[in-house]
Amino acid sequence: GQNIDQPTEMTATEGAIVQINCTYQTSGFNGLFWYQQHAGEAPTFLSYNVLDGLEEKGRFSSFLSRSKGYSYLLLKELQMKDSASYLCAVRAYGGGSQGNLIFGKGTKLSVKP
Amino acid sequence: EAGVAQSPRYKIIEKRQSVAFWCNPISGHATLYWYQQILGQGPKLLIQFQNNGVVDDSQLPKDRFSAERLKGVDSTLKIQPAKLEDSAVYLCASSLVQGARETQYFGPGTRLLVL
Repeated sequence: GQNIDQPTEMTATEGAIVQINCTYQTSGFNGLFWYQQHAGEAPTFLSYNVLDGLEEKGRFSSFLSRSKGYSYLLLKELQMKDSASYLCAVRAYGGGSQGNLIFGKGTKLSVKP
Repeated sequence: EAGVAQSPRYKIIEKRQSVAFWCNPISGHATLYWYQQILGQGPKLLIQFQNNGVVDDSQLPKDRFSAERLKGVDSTLKIQPAKLEDSAVYLCASSLVQGARETQYFGPGTRLLVL
């Protein structure tokens, strides 16, 4: 079966660093995505990993280990506006040309002053 | 560049009624998806179109849900008749394949409440 696990909630302080973990078990692997979703809004794309290692984009970084079925999203210099849900999604084989996205339930991050 | 457009943004209906949602993808995006997101969950794929053809509808409850994408651009998703458990946000996404990478871009969603 397909399974993606991430913590339900996390709390961090403004200016700090937070790491959101994601573990997955899927039928095949064709890339991992992180999306940010503010309450009542659509998910917005943050990062994409298909090879092992770290991808850095400004204050956000994402890491992937395919052998461990593990990824994390690292947020640095936290700002109040980073309070949102963070969705981990794996593209597994099947469906369209690249496979379909399977989403985790999301991690609700609260940033406090 | 305009994003994915959806309407209506909110809809309240009674169970057993019908409802339809509309989506206009980003111009030039051949692939279109409909997702259902229940409160506290991640989005779940309902159906995927490539141009005007269905690629994957394995998770679409076909006894009550239907979708079409005429002319390979706009798409509509219909529920008939609605049940209480259909209360959710219905998200439309479109994508452009660039090499080995496909990124999906989501619309604002339609919030459906079934009473």
